[in-house]
Amino acid sequence: QQQVKQSPQSLIVQKGGISIINCAYENTAFDYFPWYQQFPGKGPALLIAIRPDVSEKKEGRFTISFNKSAKQFSLHIMDSQPGDSATYFCAASISGNTPLVFGKGTRLSVIA
Amino acid sequence: DADVTQTPRNRITKTGKRIMLECSQTKGHDRMYWYRQDPGLGLRLIYYSFDVKDINKGEISDGYSVSRQAQAKFSLSLESAIPNQTALYFCATRDIYGYTFGSGTRLTVV
Repeated sequence: QQQVKQSPQSLIVQKGGISIINCAYENTAFDYFPWYQQFPGKGPALLIAIRPDVSEKKEGRFTISFNKSAKQFSLHIMDSQPGDSATYFCAASISGNTPLVFGKGTRLSVIA
Repeated sequence: DADVTQTPRNRITKTGKRIMLECSQTKGHDRMYWYRQDPGLGLRLIYYSFDVKDINKGEISDGYSVSRQAQAKFSLSLESAIPNQTALYFCATRDIYGYTFGSGTRLTVV
C-alpha cells in the first residue's frame, strides 16, 4: 500500500509559468509534510515543509497548500525558472518520531 | 567537508559478492537512515537507527543489513548482492528541521 501518492510523474512548464505537483496521503496520523528537491548527481534537499495546523506556507516562489479534510497537499512553484528543473518529492511522517515516507517523485522540466 | 559523506560514490560488483556502503556524518545527529532510490519508485526506506543501540527495519530490509559503529557512522551491507539491488543508495540524518542527505552511492550489480 502506497502511503503517499504523488502526481504527475513528469511535468513540463514554460519559463515564467506555474508548476503544480500534488500529493495525497492515507494515514491521518501524519502531521509533517515536507517537499524535497533533487538535482542530478545530488541527494534530495529540503525545500519547504508544512504542518497541518496551517493551510498554506509560502517561501519565496514556493508555496505548499494543505487540505486536511481531503488528505492532500501540493507544491506550487510560481514564476518557474530553468534552474527549478529537478525531481521533486513529497513526503510525510508522524512528527519526528517516524521515518519519512516519500512519494514516487515528479520530474520537472522548465523550458525557455 | 560535506555534512553527510557516503563512500564509495560509484561501485560495480558481481552477483553473490558481499559489499558495504559507508556513511559518516559531522552533524552530531542521533537519527540516521538508509534509503534506496529507483526510477519511478521514489525513495524507499531500508533501515534506520535512532541511536547506536537502536536499529530498525524499514520497508525493504530483506537482503540488507546495517551496522551503527558510532553516532557518526552507519554502514549498509549487501550480504550476497543480486542484480535487482542495482540502485542509487542514500544515507541521511535528521534533526528538527528535516533530513540531510548524502550525495548517494550508485551501485551496479552485474
